[in-house]
Amino acid sequence: QQQVKQSPQSLIVQKGGISIINCAYENTAFDYFPWYQQFPGKGPALLIAIRPDVSEKKEGRFTISFNKSAKQFSLHIMDSQPGDSATYFCAASEYNFNKFYFGSGTKLNVKP
Amino acid sequence: TAGITQAPTSQILAAGRSMTLRCTQDMRHNAMYWYRQDLGLGLRLIHYSNTAGTTGKGEVPDGYSVSRANTDDFPLTLASAVPSQTSVYFCASSERQRFSYNEQFFGPGTRLTVL
Repeated sequence: QQQVKQSPQSLIVQKGGISIINCAYENTAFDYFPWYQQFPGKGPALLIAIRPDVSEKKEGRFTISFNKSAKQFSLHIMDSQPGDSATYFCAASEYNFNKFYFGSGTKLNVKP
Repeated sequence: TAGITQAPTSQILAAGRSMTLRCTQDMRHNAMYWYRQDLGLGLRLIHYSNTAGTTGKGEVPDGYSVSRANTDDFPLTLASAVPSQTSVYFCASSERQRFSYNEQFFGPGTRLTVL
């Protein structure tokens, strides 16, 4: 059983649009929620991360929204660009632990 | 800076054969990990090591073994490969610190096909 559920599996967005990827978890001990970006043939790389003491974190065009009561978090990519086309993974971890549980991934295609 | 290197890049292996996937990092990170990536399942942790000389089991450890003789190297061994072990394998490392959230850095992956 996956600890972190991610949707959608794939997403097509026009250039300039907003891309939204959602994740949900059950383990209330999780308190670190990173997002990783992976380009074809490459390993994942950290994009942005959030802790549950804040409801939103923004870095440039990328924003994480976090809803602790609903045990959900999402990644918003504003003004999506073709260069954002990649697979995105959400993940969750307990504080001071190194075990990351990843979602199943979302393949994003931003059309020019 | 090389970061994490993995070898081989890809491999086709006959079922029943053994194989060791190699992983080396030059960042002097104390923690290292092995994941497998399968379509629709994301990344699943196979084994991890918090420091040289120690290892632990992840979500899907069966059929795999690891060792951590030193800080830099973390090989993953398949003793008797089966087709279900066909996957892309990623090695990762992080600087594990108490009371901290630690970014994991990933290698480029090894694509393994077991026939």
